[in-house]
Amino acid sequence: QVQLQESGAGLVKPSETLSLTCAVSGGSISSYYWSWIRQPPGKGLEWIGYINYSGRTNYNPSLKSRVTVSVDTSKDQFSLKLSSVTAADTAVYYCARSSVVLRRAFDSWGQGTLVTVSS
Amino acid sequence: DIHMTQSPSSLSASVGDTVTITCRASQTISNYLNWYQQKPGKAPKLLIYAASSLQSGVPSRFSGSGSGTDFTLTISSLQPEDIATYYCQQSFITPRTFGQGTKVEI
Repeated sequence: QVQLQESGAGLVKPSETLSLTCAVSGGSISSYYWSWIRQPPGKGLEWIGYINYSGRTNYNPSLKSRVTVSVDTSKDQFSLKLSSVTAADTAVYYCARSSVVLRRAFDSWGQGTLVTVSS
Repeated sequence: DIHMTQSPSSLSASVGDTVTITCRASQTISNYLNWYQQKPGKAPKLLIYAASSLQSGVPSRFSGSGSGTDFTLTISSLQPEDIATYYCQQSFITPRTFGQGTKVEI
């Protein structure tokens, strides 16, 4: 049973860079796509982007200019960097796995981590 | 972007009722439609993928149907533990997009 665990700073100042890491355990990071998804308090879900094990990325155009997702297969983890943050980036950030086998649905999720943007 | 519209936004039902939630895509997505259940303070959980395939471990009272642009999630015999917000999501193209959610109450 794969498990995903987000980690990173819970408080980020405006204009700075949000950095999060998702550690994958209990399964291989290969053959899957690894996404970041966020949810502002009391609101719906927004897909940020994904990376696969070979490093191929795809980002939401609404965030593309500020987003970088990277993968470290040696550590079975992938990371998110979101630059120039504002209060609108305050959200619970989830990492999630998807695969072609399940029609690219997100079948495993981390527990989520709240990131607050505030000075 | 493909816009996903769910209805209703919220509903109240009784234990044992059959509940139906609909999801409409702004363009055809074949059967690349997934349903998630989210309880307060928890991550979403995959219920249905490919419009009608039940994810492993999910109770059989959950079912999905539809293709193209119109989809349905049905909960037969609603249970107290089904109280949650339900989201549809298209995985046809990027950016992946979600419906706004349907809150189910008893």
